[in-house]
Amino acid sequence: SQQGEEDPQALSIQEGENATMNCSYKTSINNLQWYRQNSGRGLVHLILIRSNEREKHSGRLRVTLDTSKKSSSLLITASRAADTASYFCATDSRGYSTLTFGKGTMLLVSP
Amino acid sequence: GAVVSQHPSWVICKSGTSVKIECRSLDFQATTMFWYRQFPKQSLMLMATSNEGSKATYEQGVEKDKFLINHASLTLSTLTVTSAHPEDSSFYICSAPGPNSSGAFFGQGTRLTVV
Repeated sequence: SQQGEEDPQALSIQEGENATMNCSYKTSINNLQWYRQNSGRGLVHLILIRSNEREKHSGRLRVTLDTSKKSSSLLITASRAADTASYFCATDSRGYSTLTFGKGTMLLVSP
Repeated sequence: GAVVSQHPSWVICKSGTSVKIECRSLDFQATTMFWYRQFPKQSLMLMATSNEGSKATYEQGVEKDKFLINHASLTLSTLTVTSAHPEDSSFYICSAPGPNSSGAFFGQGTRLTVV
């Protein structure tokens, strides 16, 4: 079963703009991870944030985690056309990378 | 970073035949691997957990006799879709926990089309 929801389901922006995606989940977690998937391809691991962390940065990515609200957000700053992809959050609540995925956000960045 | 290789990347087969998909961890050992299925424009659904040297653990609703999993070594897990039917057409993707609790690393996925 799916853990939660991402919103928006689809997001269309111009290059240079920031993109924010949100993820909500239902159960307690060990960590939350964000992945990118280009059409018809495998998943690329972007960032992992542990349950005792509130914010994490990696390059143009910023992830926040609010365990009291059971939600996370992914911010991509200064977006590029190459960022066009689907983005999924995944929670690890059962341990050892047994992941439960959200429905994903499809991001389109136009040049 | 850790690399997981999946093969083949796509396969077309006739109804009733079986298809084997391989998932290898290339530069690290994985005692556990995971198999997911993804239908078009949907999210990934965990099918089963593959355990090296023991039986796989299947998620509720996944037929173990239809989706045979073998984890014969610390770097290889295989998923065999037996007696495939068109409704088995999907994107199958494996993952393995990366070293040092660095998250899960995914293979490239296999697009299965059953005709």
